Amino acid sequence: GAVVSQHPSRVICKSGTSVKIECRSLDFQATTMFWYRQFPKKSLMLMATSNEGSKATYEQGVEKDKFLINHASLTLSTLTVTSAHPEDSSFYICSARHSFVDEKLFFGSGTQLSVL
Amino acid sequence: SQQGEEDPQALSIQEGENATMNCSYKTSINNLQWYRQNSGRGLVHLILIRSNEREKHSGRLRVTLDTSKKSSSLLITASRAADTASYFCATRKAGGTSYGKLTFGQGTILTVHP
Repeated sequence: GAVVSQHPSRVICKSGTSVKIECRSLDFQATTMFWYRQFPKKSLMLMATSNEGSKATYEQGVEKDKFLINHASLTLSTLTVTSAHPEDSSFYICSARHSFVDEKLFFGSGTQLSVL
Repeated sequence: SQQGEEDPQALSIQEGENATMNCSYKTSINNLQWYRQNSGRGLVHLILIRSNEREKHSGRLRVTLDTSKKSSSLLITASRAADTASYFCATRKAGGTSYGKLTFGQGTILTVHP
C-alpha cells in the first residue's frame, strides 16, 4: 500500500527556534498533502492544504507566517514552525492523497513537538 | 470546525465482544470514512462509505450510513486486544473541489481487554 513517511517523529527545541517537519510519499505522487495538529486525546485539526507547485491554503485561524508550508515536489511537503513557543507544542500529522486511488488519505506517523 | 461528533467517547470491552461506535455530522456529505489511530501514531484508513450507500463490510468491520439522520456507525465484531486504538470518522462535504479535505470527528477510544 501507499506509504507516507514523516520525520522527525519527535523533536524537542528551545523557545524561539524554528523546526522543520518533512512529509514524504514514498511510492506514489501526492499532488495534495494535508497538515493537521492534534492535542492529547483530541481530534485532528486541519491546519492547511498543501498543493504541489502552489501556495498552501490555510484554515481560518492558522497563522501562515508561523506555520510555513512548502510543497516543492510531488513527493515532499514540509511544515516549518517558525519561532516556536511552548504553546506550539503538539502532535503534528501529515497526510497525502494518492492521485489515482479513491479518496482515502494516507497518513504519516506524526511528529511530537515539545517546545521548552 | 469539527462537525463530527462521536459516541461513546470511550468504550471498554472484553476480547470477543462486539464494539459499536457512532458518528454524527452536520452538513451534506460526499462520503464518510473511518480511521484508526494507535497511540502516538498516524491514522490508518479502515473503510469508506459513499453517500448513496447504506452499508458496507470489510472483514470484521461493518459500517452503516443514514444520511437522513446524518449519522454513521462502525461495528467491530469479535474484537481483539489488538483492536485497542482510537477510531475517528471523517467526512468529505458534498460539492466543492477540495478532494481529500476531510473533517474529523472527536474520536472514540476503544480498549479491548484480553
